[in-house]
Amino acid sequence: DAGITQSPRHKVTETGTPVTLRCHQTENHRYMYWYRQDPGHGLRLIHYSYGVKDTDKGEVSDGYSVSRSKTEDFLLTLESATSSQTSVYFCAISEAGGYTDTQYFGPGTRLTVL
Amino acid sequence: AQTVTQSQPEMSVQEAETVTLSCTYDTSENNYYLFWYKQPPSRQMILVIRQEAYKQQNATENRFSVNFQKAAKSFSLKISDSQLGDTAMYFCAFMNRGGSQGNLIFGKGTKLSVKP
Repeated sequence: DAGITQSPRHKVTETGTPVTLRCHQTENHRYMYWYRQDPGHGLRLIHYSYGVKDTDKGEVSDGYSVSRSKTEDFLLTLESATSSQTSVYFCAISEAGGYTDTQYFGPGTRLTVL
Repeated sequence: AQTVTQSQPEMSVQEAETVTLSCTYDTSENNYYLFWYKQPPSRQMILVIRQEAYKQQNATENRFSVNFQKAAKSFSLKISDSQLGDTAMYFCAFMNRGGSQGNLIFGKGTKLSVKP
């Protein structure tokens, strides 16, 4: 199994509060991704990173920001959480990005915004 | 834009029998990957099988095999000798090899129940 951890695994927060989710990898992979999973939508890409300090937006990036100051850590921040951001969040990693490699997923974080 | 469609929201199969999950996709690209991921109740996303579009031979991993029909843009998953542990959501996913983003485009999933 790929060495990917996510923290916290569960979080309940209130509307308007900031939230940061952390993804940590021990594989030294270059690419990291944040997805959200909602019923009826499958998984959708929020943001991704192709190296330290190199990030870009995905399909559903509004309301989210990311940072990657080290190869092993990729942070997802909800600046002011809303109820529509209640979801399960998955981090994924891959070695070579879109050209050759497979993405491996972390265990997920269930976020509830009240 | 690429899209992935899984037309069977739920399926069930008896233990030890064979079941096929359907997936179709739409793309104008010629160089891509297709994947099947399994998500059991534990919520972990687990890679089941991967297919490179340039390979004509269908991928196989133990009891799991695919029927890849590139012209028809179809990518079905066959599970042989179904086991109770196969009970899960199954997601079909597409990745454009030529894109710089490399993100996966997922279908909405098929919930498979294996009955004893």
